[in-house]
Amino acid sequence: GQQLNQSPQSMFIQEGEDVSMNCTSSSIFNTWLWYKQDPGEGPVLLIALYKAGELTSNGRLTAQFGITRKDSFLNISASIPSDVGIYFCAGQPLTGANNLFFGTGTRLTVIP
Amino acid sequence: SQTIHQWPATLVQPVGSPLSLECTVEGTSNPNLYWYRQAAGRGLQLLFYSVGIGQISSEVPQNLSASRPQDRQFILSSKKLLLSDSGFYLCAWSVLGGGEAFFGQGTRLTVV
Repeated sequence: GQQLNQSPQSMFIQEGEDVSMNCTSSSIFNTWLWYKQDPGEGPVLLIALYKAGELTSNGRLTAQFGITRKDSFLNISASIPSDVGIYFCAGQPLTGANNLFFGTGTRLTVIP
Repeated sequence: SQTIHQWPATLVQPVGSPLSLECTVEGTSNPNLYWYRQAAGRGLQLLFYSVGIGQISSEVPQNLSASRPQDRQFILSSKKLLLSDSGFYLCAWSVLGGGEAFFGQGTRLTVV
């Protein structure tokens, strides 16, 4: 399957700090998605991106679809304790549009 | 609104026993359906996806199979479980053609 490289692997931050994570692929994607997963639960969709260069916000979350269509980033501003969890990027390649591949995840810990 | 149901939530099975996990979607027609596996602390590995009844695409060779006997039903099976089949199995759906995927609550399978 497709390889999505997500970084960083884990982050420990103080409450109130901003967070940034990114995802890159070796091939062109036509959709980028960002999910959050709590322990023992299924991932929940946070933001969906469909156009190169698109910048989309959802509350304190902002994500961008890279111009090259091979990368995306997610920013979380003013982190709070409930932001703790694992964040995954996911993408649909240009070919095989019914596939949806996931990054390796970023484990976020927020210290109160 | 659309909902996705996945069961059972947890399962402990002996090596060599068969497996059947079921996933159903309500509130939509002709969805894409997906099975993912997540090892502890790891990302999501796409196992199978389906764009219609009886249409199954496999992403990785393995000890598992999938079937879609009805439009909104997706089943993950094995004839003989291996220890390495342990993991967290997630079912997801998206609209036909791909896009945002929505996940069930997952099944934690432990093969002993």
